[in-house]
Amino acid sequence: DGGITQSPKYLFRKEGQNVTLSCEQNLNHDAMYWYRQDPGQGLRLIYYSQIVNDFQKGDIAEGYSVSREKKESFPLTVTSAQKNPTAFYLCASSISPGRNSPLHFGNGTRLTVT
Amino acid sequence: RKEVEQDPGPFNVPEGATVAFNCTYSNSASQSFFWYRQDCRKEPKLLMSVYSSGNEDGRFTAQLNRASQYISLLIRDSKLSDSATYLCVVRGGADGLTFGKGTHLIIQP
Repeated sequence: DGGITQSPKYLFRKEGQNVTLSCEQNLNHDAMYWYRQDPGQGLRLIYYSQIVNDFQKGDIAEGYSVSREKKESFPLTVTSAQKNPTAFYLCASSISPGRNSPLHFGNGTRLTVT
Repeated sequence: RKEVEQDPGPFNVPEGATVAFNCTYSNSASQSFFWYRQDCRKEPKLLMSVYSSGNEDGRFTAQLNRASQYISLLIRDSKLSDSATYLCVVRGGADGLTFGKGTHLIIQP
């Protein structure tokens, strides 16, 4: 079955440590996205990539980094510079960055930093 | 003014009733519109795209009003399983999408 896989589902880290969240898709989608969701807030865009080896900052990129070395993979690193890293992280993809392409989401990673 | 606004609710609705809620957007150049459903502690899932002429999928009807810059979602014959948060999503810029904060719907037996 085609889909987007995020791992792990739950992640716990100590403050000051970098952590990398995995996102893999086998939908052959060109565009991939990382969002963050906090309680009572809408989804906020961290980074997005429209094509391999290219990515753009979203609204809240500070403290995060990404890579897009393969079409299928778009890992997100939460660095120690991110002041409030505890959140629900959602990876998504779309067929193309075009205007009529809806997003398809992975099942998310809940990161807790203490 | 916020880019995409939704009434957070909750909307408490008896099973079998019809419920509707709106979403307003500020960017008049917005090009495409979607409704997503999100269950508690789960990822959003695409419910339906919203087309200019309006569209229906079973018990769900979506409408777009470009003049007044809002989209709507109507649910007929509501089921207990319709309880969820409904997210309005608007695509307008180069990076695409802006999400509303969602409307929380509770269907009561």
